[in-house]
Amino acid sequence: ETGVTQSPTHLIKTRGQQVTLRCSSQSGHNTVSWYQQALGQGPQFIFQYYREEENGRGNFPPRFSGLQFPNYSSELNVNALELDDSALYLCASSRLGQPQHFGDGTRLSIL
Amino acid sequence: DQQVKQNSPSLSVQEGRISILNCDYTNSMFDYFLWYKKYPAEGPTFLISISSIKDKNEDGRFTVFLNKSAKHLSLHIVPSQPGDSAVYFCAASVDTGNQFYFGTGTSLTVIP
Repeated sequence: ETGVTQSPTHLIKTRGQQVTLRCSSQSGHNTVSWYQQALGQGPQFIFQYYREEENGRGNFPPRFSGLQFPNYSSELNVNALELDDSALYLCASSRLGQPQHFGDGTRLSIL
Repeated sequence: DQQVKQNSPSLSVQEGRISILNCDYTNSMFDYFLWYKKYPAEGPTFLISISSIKDKNEDGRFTVFLNKSAKHLSLHIVPSQPGDSAVYFCAASVDTGNQFYFGTGTSLTVIP
């Protein structure tokens, strides 16, 4: 059984740029959630997708957007990057209502 | 607004003894709770969960206790092993569904 994989593992961008992070869900999982984890903090919920539709959103501005594809892979897009966007971005997949399984994250640094 | 709080950033325990990790929450609507374990450079790994209809759930060396009136849950690890050294996060949600709120984590060190 293939786990949750995220790419890239590290990324460096500058303020104002746009970034796309990718996630491949675990086989059989139809739900994907994205989290932002700042240094010394716990993961903060950005949004969840279920069957390609947004199924809940945390307190993040609209410049954070996402997509889920028919094969249940997913993208997180962030526009107009700010210094505070520097964080570890985690993707988690599950069957709806089941515990989430996390990838190892993408470390995003904004200069 | 931190709805899930882990007030102990770190904990050290001797191998073989009990580790007790604590978590408090403020939202009385939370009814599903989980514990995750995280090693450096890896994503969190699911450990154990409990729903609000129970006050205890056990899985091997791991037991989670829920006190709804106190809005408090704890994770007991018995006996503790050096491989248990990691950061532990508690998380909560309304229903089992979508938005999970995480605490800030407790770093557990098990001393051989």
